[in-house]
Amino acid sequence: DAKTTQPPSMDCAEGRAANLPCNHSTISGNEYVYWYRQIHSQGPQYIIHGLKNNETNEMASLIITEDRKSSTLILPHATLRDTAVYYCIVTRAGNQFYFGTGTSLTVIP
Amino acid sequence: DAGVTQSPTHLIKTRGQQVTLRCSPKSGHDTVSWYQQALGQGPQFIFQYYEEEERQRGNFPDRFSGHQFPNYSSELNVNALLLGDSALYLCASSRLGGAEVEKLFFGSGTQLSVL
Repeated sequence: DAKTTQPPSMDCAEGRAANLPCNHSTISGNEYVYWYRQIHSQGPQYIIHGLKNNETNEMASLIITEDRKSSTLILPHATLRDTAVYYCIVTRAGNQFYFGTGTSLTVIP
Repeated sequence: DAGVTQSPTHLIKTRGQQVTLRCSPKSGHDTVSWYQQALGQGPQFIFQYYEEEERQRGNFPDRFSGHQFPNYSSELNVNALLLGDSALYLCASSRLGGAEVEKLFFGSGTQLSVL
């Protein structure tokens, strides 16, 4: 499975959009991009996933570049409760999910 | 609809002992994956069970073993505990082969401390 690269930490002002980048330059055509987040001492929570097209749900938007080598998770109006570690995972259907060290997002009041 | 449940929530053992952790998957899910998460690290994949068989395995020694029951629940067993086995153990369930792309749903984990 393709490996991912994420910045170790980011800050975002409350109420502003949080844009979390992920590089996955070795992604294969049948690999999906998933985003999970983990609030301290809890299990990771599914946020969103995509293959080629941009996706949006009630939690976030996922923007995947045309060459699929990178993506951005967008939290449109960050709140203090969005403070968490965010993991970008690339995997094909039926394969294990590899969690790196993620991006620690801190939302500042 | 209950999500993924794990028991116990906390456990303290001593070196050399054995431990069993339990997981009940989300309703409608048939696959259980186990992860180990050390402090400050991301979850590391241990293994996955589907149809009562170990389907995939990560880079963990044979001291880590598991089982899946006909009702899809699962156990993780760790023998000859080491201090380095202290971690949060996470169970995730999913549904393989369904119409939707697989998504993992996680429990809250079991915090294991080895003294």
